[in-house]
Amino acid sequence: GESVGLHLPTLSVQEGDNSIINCAYSNSASDYFIWYKQESGKGPQFIIDIRSNMDKRQGQRVTVLLNKTVKHLSLQIAATQPGDSAVYFCAEKAGTGRRALTFGSGTRLQVQP
Amino acid sequence: DVKVTQSSRYLVKRTGEKVFLECVQDMDHENMFWYRQDPGLGLRLIYFSYDVKMKEKGDIPEGYSVSREKKERFSLILESASTNQTSMYLCASSSDKRWGNQPQHFGDGTRLSIL
Repeated sequence: GESVGLHLPTLSVQEGDNSIINCAYSNSASDYFIWYKQESGKGPQFIIDIRSNMDKRQGQRVTVLLNKTVKHLSLQIAATQPGDSAVYFCAEKAGTGRRALTFGSGTRLQVQP
Repeated sequence: DVKVTQSSRYLVKRTGEKVFLECVQDMDHENMFWYRQDPGLGLRLIYFSYDVKMKEKGDIPEGYSVSREKKERFSLILESASTNQTSMYLCASSSDKRWGNQPQHFGDGTRLSIL
């Protein structure tokens, strides 16, 4: 399959464990954040989003935490499965009225059976 | 479900050719985007459009142009292809509801090789 990044940080977890993927953002004016999952040979797939007036949001098996004080975003995946193996990107939108996103460089998640 | 369709998964062209990459979305989204994705560099925004016939430059517009004649279709044009434009090209669309706080939805990409 295609590699989306040659030097991506890699997180390796055992199947069934919880995974935490971290992302630091730089713009204190960013008001909206998204996590994407990209599998080999496919485009990024939306997982979950959060607005800056929240600090936590939960989806199915996933939770996003936002710490605006230290400009940090994390994605928690519960009971990680082999199908979760992919590259995960965070993205931020720099304020109201802006449409473009700025993407992080990504983290590769490898799930060991 | 949002569907963003890119016309080709793989494309091989020659240096100097004019290349058209097509993208169609079926959710009546106002915004459409073109990115390129390269190993070690992540996703970089080339151009985006927030309305028909409107366009804005992204971070790396040089060597590219775009066309948005209809709301559902956004085309990326390489005026004279060069080998450094070999890359994965990704199209995305998003709605303008909620003050723009809507996720972008991506197509599966076009792997373009310029020989």
